[in-house]
Amino acid sequence: DTAVSQTPKYLVTQMGNDKSIKCEQNLGHDTMYWYKQDSKKFLKIMFSYNNKELIINETVPNRFSPKSPDKAHLNLHINSLELGDSAVYFCASSGPINTAGHHSYEQYFGPGTRLTVT
Amino acid sequence: EDQVTQSPEALRLQEGESSSLNCSYTVSGLRGLFWYRQDPGKGPEFLFTLYSAGEEKEKERLKATLTKKESFLHITAPKPEDSATYLCAVQERSSNTGKLIFGQGTTLQVKP
Repeated sequence: DTAVSQTPKYLVTQMGNDKSIKCEQNLGHDTMYWYKQDSKKFLKIMFSYNNKELIINETVPNRFSPKSPDKAHLNLHINSLELGDSAVYFCASSGPINTAGHHSYEQYFGPGTRLTVT
Repeated sequence: EDQVTQSPEALRLQEGESSSLNCSYTVSGLRGLFWYRQDPGKGPEFLFTLYSAGEEKEKERLKATLTKKESFLHITAPKPEDSATYLCAVQERSSNTGKLIFGQGTTLQVKP
């Protein structure tokens, strides 16, 4: 059973095109995230939704637009793709964890979508 | 500003040669510190959460420890299958969004 899945796995497209990446989780989590991992493997948060409400919106070009149709799905649409958008995009989900009085959010990641813009 | 720095960037070990990876962090208040393992072409895989200084967690050959300023991931008698990039991330106490701030990772290569 795949916990967090993303499609497509690979995406090769030309500059100026519009593309979407889809994410689904079957963990029953309320919160989902989009991260970007650059060529140096640095992971940076882009967006987060909790129960279909946007709760994190980092400094990201407005060409990127997330959409959450329900709490199990989070999609990322990118308009007018640029060369610098080439990266691996990861979806993640989390639910609140309460362990011995500690409250945190353990995130579980999807397999990633490698986007190459030519 | 919250910051996470991992060292070394890369580490090569012989099979059985124990070592430690470091994660230094600056955060106004720590909700949790997380360790992940990432294999090439895959998403990060959750390993541990640490909450307070002095806490330790173990999983097979890995042991994670936490102080007020840093965390260590100790690898005892590593095997080639432990080769991966290890990522550290922090979650700020004031955050109710689950936002993780990642370090740049340590890429570990274990040679047989």
